[in-house]
Amino acid sequence: QSALTQPASVSGSPGNSITISCTGTSADVGRYNLVSWYQQHPGKAPRLIIYEGSRRPSGVSSRFSASKSGNTASLTISELQADDEAEYFCCTYGGTTVNTIFGGGTKLTVL
Amino acid sequence: QVHLQESGPGLVKPSGTLSLTCAVSGTSISNSNWWSWVRQPPGKGLEWIGQIYHTGSANYNPSFKSRVSISMDKSKNQFSLNLRSVTAADTAVYYCARDPANWFDPWGQGTLVSVSS
Repeated sequence: QSALTQPASVSGSPGNSITISCTGTSADVGRYNLVSWYQQHPGKAPRLIIYEGSRRPSGVSSRFSASKSGNTASLTISELQADDEAEYFCCTYGGTTVNTIFGGGTKLTVL
Repeated sequence: QVHLQESGPGLVKPSGTLSLTCAVSGTSISNSNWWSWVRQPPGKGLEWIGQIYHTGSANYNPSFKSRVSISMDKSKNQFSLNLRSVTAADTAVYYCARDPANWFDPWGQGTLVSVSS
């Protein structure tokens, strides 16, 4: 199965906002409201920051938000902080055959 | 608080079998959850391997289906991954995670498995 498409890198200045896209197909991102997003700092395990499209787990800052339009999901991080510098992965359910698909990851640099 | 911890050999020979265990604490794996394995080759992205439900039913990534099996031991509150016929391409950090509904939380810390002779 093909991975979801994410930009390899994005950057932003402290206090600003950035958006990371995650493009799939009508069979996965477009069909199910099951996109999740993960933050991964170097050498650490991924951490869930968004699930079921736009829901934030307890303890995750409201600066993280997500949405979907058609076959593309988006993660927005507002009021960028230095600690937001990490890699971000999207993930979705893709149906009974492929089940779960991840994006290739986007490295966020906070300038 | 739910906690997961992977364990197993850090080195496996080519053509051998990679076997890892994920010990779960803070909840029973017999609760209504899926439990998944995800891997990450060095410097690369995440790849879902498969999942097991508390009933023992399992689903696998088609890319691994012929080589992989996931099982659970409810008496020890743990689940396991077996990946057969490994090659250098299977070198990765392997994570276990709770999988409530096709999202993963929490994750174990991960364990690096290298495939080399």
